[in-house]
Parts: sequence; C-alpha cells; structure tokens
Amino acid sequence: EAGVAQSPRYKIIEKRQSVAFWCNPISGHATLYWYQQILGQGPKLLIQFQNNGVVDDSQLPKDRFSAERLKGVDSTLKIQPAKLEDSAVYLCASSLGGRGMNTEAFFGQGTRLTVV
Amino acid sequence: EDKVVQSPLSLVVHEGDTVTLNCSYEVTNFRSLLWYKQEKKAPTFLFMLTSSGIEKKSGRLSSILDKKELSSILNITATQTGDSAIYLCAYRDNYGQNFVFGPGTRLSVLP
Repeated sequence: EAGVAQSPRYKIIEKRQSVAFWCNPISGHATLYWYQQILGQGPKLLIQFQNNGVVDDSQLPKDRFSAERLKGVDSTLKIQPAKLEDSAVYLCASSLGGRGMNTEAFFGQGTRLTVV
Repeated sequence: EDKVVQSPLSLVVHEGDTVTLNCSYEVTNFRSLLWYKQEKKAPTFLFMLTSSGIEKKSGRLSSILDKKELSSILNITATQTGDSAIYLCAYRDNYGQNFVFGPGTRLSVLP
C-alpha cells in the first residue's frame, strides 16, 4: 500500500516570496491534515479536511496561508508571502477518518521549508 | 485549554538500558492516546490506547494508559542505537478528528 506522498522534500525561499506544497493521501482516506512542525516542537495542526470540506482551520494564519483539497483527494498548501518564522517542516497526514472511528494518522515525509 | 505534556524532553542512555517516557494530557472528552516515533521528518505510528485497550506491546516497546491519572508511559527495554529518535505523544478527543501532539521526547542511545 502506497503511503502519503508529499513534494517537494526541501524548499528554500526568500521572505515575501510564495511557496506551495503538495500532498497525496493514502487511497481511501477521507481525512487529510496539514501540520506545521517548528524545530524542537511537536506538530501543530494547520488545517483538517474531511473529503473536500474543511473541518478545522482555526490555527491557520489565513492572511498568508491557504489550502485546498479539490475532489477530496490531493491537497495543496500555499504560503504567500512567506515570513522568516514560517521556517519549519510541513507534514501532511491522512486517516480513514470518521468521527466515531479509532484510527491512527499516517504521515508523509514532510517538506522542510527554510525562509531566508 | 487542552494540552499534552511530555517528560523528559531529552534523554541520553547507553545501549541495553531501559527507558520510560512519560506523557500527560488534559482533554475535555478523551477518545484515544497515540505514540509516534519520529526519526527524520515523518512520524511513524507505534501504539494507540483507548478506554478499551489500555496496554499495548510490540517487541521491546510497550505502553500503558492510566485513565485515572490522565497519563501514559512508553517503555523501551534493551535499547538499541536504532531507537534514537523523537517520541511523540498525541491525543484525540471525542468531538474532533484532530490529533493534538506534545513537544516530544528526544531519545539518544549511545553505543
């Protein structure tokens, strides 16, 4: 079974530039998550999708971050314009989902973003 | 505010030692507690503990959930250098489907 795919693996940009990350979840997984992990901290949820609808985006800095999940499969996360404090690893995860289900989340390899 | 606390934040041991990692959580409506191992970037799943399954074991790793104390421990016996990683604890509540993570424990196993 193929895992969660993410690209790119690494990205270096200058502040005020824009960047986009792509994620393809495990086939059949309804729930998709984007997490931001700053060095030395645990992953922090940015946005959660159930199929192609947003479940939770309360911690997404909406003035600069946006995300979409068209057709309920692939997802993209965009930052525009980037700030130095956006330097982090961006992790995509998916799970079978469903509010009543006890399922774990499976993570992709992540994208390490460095803003200079 | 719901949160997860892990201790210690960092630990250095020698091969063959046994380690115990701690996780405590404050959540309004608990559903499950999960442990992940993060070696480079991708966390990999270890265990999920719920009210109906409070103890799990896989090889040298085991975990117990204490529902009364709102905590969990992860034990690793006969540690190996390959156990060096960050160990993340996360909870899931009954309302959302989100996984809320703690800061992690960085374990270093020296040869």
